[in-house]
Amino acid sequence: AQSVSQHNHHVILSEAASLELGCNYSYGGTVNLFWYVQYPGQHLQLLLKYFSGDPLVKGIKGFEAEFIKSKFSFNLRKPSVQWSDTAEYFCAVNAMDSSYKLIFGSGTRLLVRP
Amino acid sequence: DAGITQSPRHKVTETGTPVTLRCHQTENHRYMYWYRQDPGHGLRLIHYSYGVKDTDKGEVSDGYSVSRSKTEDFLLTLESATSSQTSVYFCAISRGREEAFFGQGTRLTVV
Repeated sequence: AQSVSQHNHHVILSEAASLELGCNYSYGGTVNLFWYVQYPGQHLQLLLKYFSGDPLVKGIKGFEAEFIKSKFSFNLRKPSVQWSDTAEYFCAVNAMDSSYKLIFGSGTRLLVRP
Repeated sequence: DAGITQSPRHKVTETGTPVTLRCHQTENHRYMYWYRQDPGHGLRLIHYSYGVKDTDKGEVSDGYSVSRSKTEDFLLTLESATSSQTSVYFCAISRGREEAFFGQGTRLTVV
């Protein structure tokens, strides 16, 4: 069965600090990986996705993520955060072998202080 | 935004009553999902559908049933609502490999 772990539940940073959020998944086959963001009071929106190819993927708003197959990881990074990045971030995984059952991690709440 | 609407957006119901939430899409996406979101738990999959009349259980399916009689609609039913089912419910749609698009959510309170 698929599962996703996000180890950082709450992160507090000052503006301009660098961000890295951890995501590890458990699944034996080929996966598709996603990072979503949820701003307060809103629904989830896609930040970036990985299907295949270059393991370093770039998304919107300056975010990027690196897929490391040997570590079953897909960590999210941003070199310099802004106050507007305050939100909750979710890692997710699906796979064709499991009929694209989409499983999410428990999320990381990011607070960026001005 | 993708054409996906949830109804109702807010509902208060009494313990023991059945409740049905509706997810409607205009995108002709094959896959549809129901999640619940609770603080500290992220989004937990309740049920999902990989085609008309094809559904499967997620992580937290006890007490919930679903039906998908046509591509556009995916219904979630709480057979006998309990206070532990007070939550925010999100529907999502996708083409499978591609990213999922989410509805605005339904806030359900069971009193």
